[in-house]
Amino acid sequence: RKEVEQDPGPFNVPEGATVAFNCTYSNSASQSFFWYRQDCRKEPKLLMSVYSSGNEDGRFTAQLNRASQYISLLIRDSKLSDSATYLCVVNLGGGSQGNLIFGKGTKLSVKP
Amino acid sequence: GAGVSQSPSNKVTEKGKDVELRCDPISGHTALYWYRQSLGQGLEFLIYFQGNSAPDKSGLPSDRFSAERTGGSVSTLTIQRTQQEDSAVYLCASREGPPETQYFGPGTRLLVL
Repeated sequence: RKEVEQDPGPFNVPEGATVAFNCTYSNSASQSFFWYRQDCRKEPKLLMSVYSSGNEDGRFTAQLNRASQYISLLIRDSKLSDSATYLCVVNLGGGSQGNLIFGKGTKLSVKP
Repeated sequence: GAGVSQSPSNKVTEKGKDVELRCDPISGHTALYWYRQSLGQGLEFLIYFQGNSAPDKSGLPSDRFSAERTGGSVSTLTIQRTQQEDSAVYLCASREGPPETQYFGPGTRLLVL
């Protein structure tokens, strides 16, 4: 099982739609979780951290399910500018690779 | 404040040549990472520096790849005898410490002809 797995997509949705991505991780000792966003030909940038109790930032909601070892990202009222690749990032809980593992990303395309 | 910077932004080289890629992390950040991203692919971890500790080199794909970090700041990634499969975007990131948010540089696009 890969350490961090994501559906590569693409998810093609109309403006205003609600879309959700899931990410599964294999290391039960993982402590920290993040969603990054990467625009085409740009570097990844932090979108939001994921907290145990779940957290919301405007139209974006992140959830963590430790029992099933997955995190999710929900985007409401999608905008054209949300089109990007969303990367799931998980702390390994150990000392290797600086503790962080990136998923391969889920591509979102929001259409007018 | 200034973010992570990388140079050059683009590099075209011939197969067999050596290249050096530079990363200037955010001042005060103790951790520095190098990643590689091929077209349409995810991030591939290469190497990680944390303070004065020995670097984690577990991601370097071959002994043609090496990196150093001088004075706990600037880092150089060197690729010797470049091959066409080395063509990719090389991304550098730095982190201050917990929380583990990484800040990425704009990357160096390497093309080996």
